[in-house]
Amino acid sequence: EVQLVESGGGLVQPGGSLRLSCTGSGFTFSDYWMSWVRQLPGRGLEWVANIRHDGGQKNYADSVKGRFTISRDNPKNSLYLQMNSLRAEDTAIYYCCIGRGYSDWGQGTLVTVSS
Amino acid sequence: DVVMTQSPLSLPVTLGQPASISCRSSQSLVYSDGNTYLYWFQQRPGRSPRRLISKVSNRESGVPDRFSGSGSGTDFILKISRVEAEDVGVYYCMQGTHWPYTFGQGTKLDIK
Repeated sequence: EVQLVESGGGLVQPGGSLRLSCTGSGFTFSDYWMSWVRQLPGRGLEWVANIRHDGGQKNYADSVKGRFTISRDNPKNSLYLQMNSLRAEDTAIYYCCIGRGYSDWGQGTLVTVSS
Repeated sequence: DVVMTQSPLSLPVTLGQPASISCRSSQSLVYSDGNTYLYWFQQRPGRSPRRLISKVSNRESGVPDRFSGSGSGTDFILKISRVEAEDVGVYYCMQGTHWPYTFGQGTKLDIK
């Protein structure tokens, strides 16, 4: 069974940093692109970033470019999102997803940016 | 960015009756490889989204056959042949043809 487990969310002040993690199991992690998608409060879904299976290509939404960094550690079946210079509008549930078509989703981790 | 427009945004349905959700894209979703990367997701209350359909009409494993997807180019439809209580939630279309990939606003389905 495919499982994705996110962690690292929490409350942070504007301008602060957080690092999200996602650990995958039940599939060959190193074979897949991986993505972060977020859900803004009471609103819809927004793609944040993705990374190729070997880490050699990374893409970012304009809204996070230059502030967020996606990375992965294939031997640890882990995906990361380093979030710097956080803003109130980054407040959301962050989901880790398999592939660029989001075939499977984790349970999400809540990030709240507030003073 | 490609804008995905869903309608209706709210869909009250009687149990056992059919339901239909429309999704329109601001550009054709036909990719250079000939595929159309249009997906449908379901988000039940308090749950993570779940992919129901990929590439317009391909149901994911475990998705009941009362769900079907159709369409081409810029116009797509998700149909539920007979709504059941477990279908309550928000449904999103998403395009995976043009960067950045974008979602529709969501359609909230509930029971009358």
